[in-house]
Amino acid sequence: QSALTQPRSVSGSPGQSVTISCTGSSSDVGDYYFVSWYQQHPGTAPKLMIYDVSKRPSGVPDRFSGSKSGNTASLTISGLQAEDEADYYCCSYAGIYRFYVFGTGTEVTVL
Amino acid sequence: EVHLVESGGGSVQPGGSLRLSCAASGFTFSRYAMHWVRQTPGKGLEYVSTISSNGGTTYYANSLKGRFTISRDNSKNTLSLQMGSLRAEDTAVYFCARGGGLGHTDVWGNGTTVTVSS
Repeated sequence: QSALTQPRSVSGSPGQSVTISCTGSSSDVGDYYFVSWYQQHPGTAPKLMIYDVSKRPSGVPDRFSGSKSGNTASLTISGLQAEDEADYYCCSYAGIYRFYVFGTGTEVTVL
Repeated sequence: EVHLVESGGGSVQPGGSLRLSCAASGFTFSRYAMHWVRQTPGKGLEYVSTISSNGGTTYYANSLKGRFTISRDNSKNTLSLQMGSLRAEDTAVYFCARGGGLGHTDVWGNGTTVTVSS
């Protein structure tokens, strides 16, 4: 069950924007609009930040946005804040035989 | 408030078995699909298994089929994962999570740790 590919780390200064890519294939990211993103601080459970490619759950700041093009999904954090420093994982529905596949994870550092 | 609390983790020898449980509260458990996701030490998240709201349909990561069995008891608001033929690579924190819709989970427990070692 091949994981989706994410950059190992990205960084930015407070107020800047960062974008995390999530590259899959035509059988997961490229075939479905069921891509989600999770934020995980050390020692805590993941938190849903984006679902259905670009929808934000209630309570998630609008600084977080998602998009998709072809086999690659992206998460953009605008106006980076110190509390955004965390690990981020993408996830895609991959059909009834694989169901879900997660990304490799990206560490976001606020400089 | 919506809560998921995992239990049943611990240390087990290779080849052994373990049963994890997840107690749900604060929502109508029987209306939601439920999932297990694991995280190996210092590494990323890995999909484990899914069960439909009525328990009639189950899905597993290809690498785990035949060794793990997911089940639920809607009368007790409980999700379970029976793990067998455990290997060192099954060592991980196991999270239960509520299905928010296809492709995402909207509520996670805090996880329970499974260590497979001789």
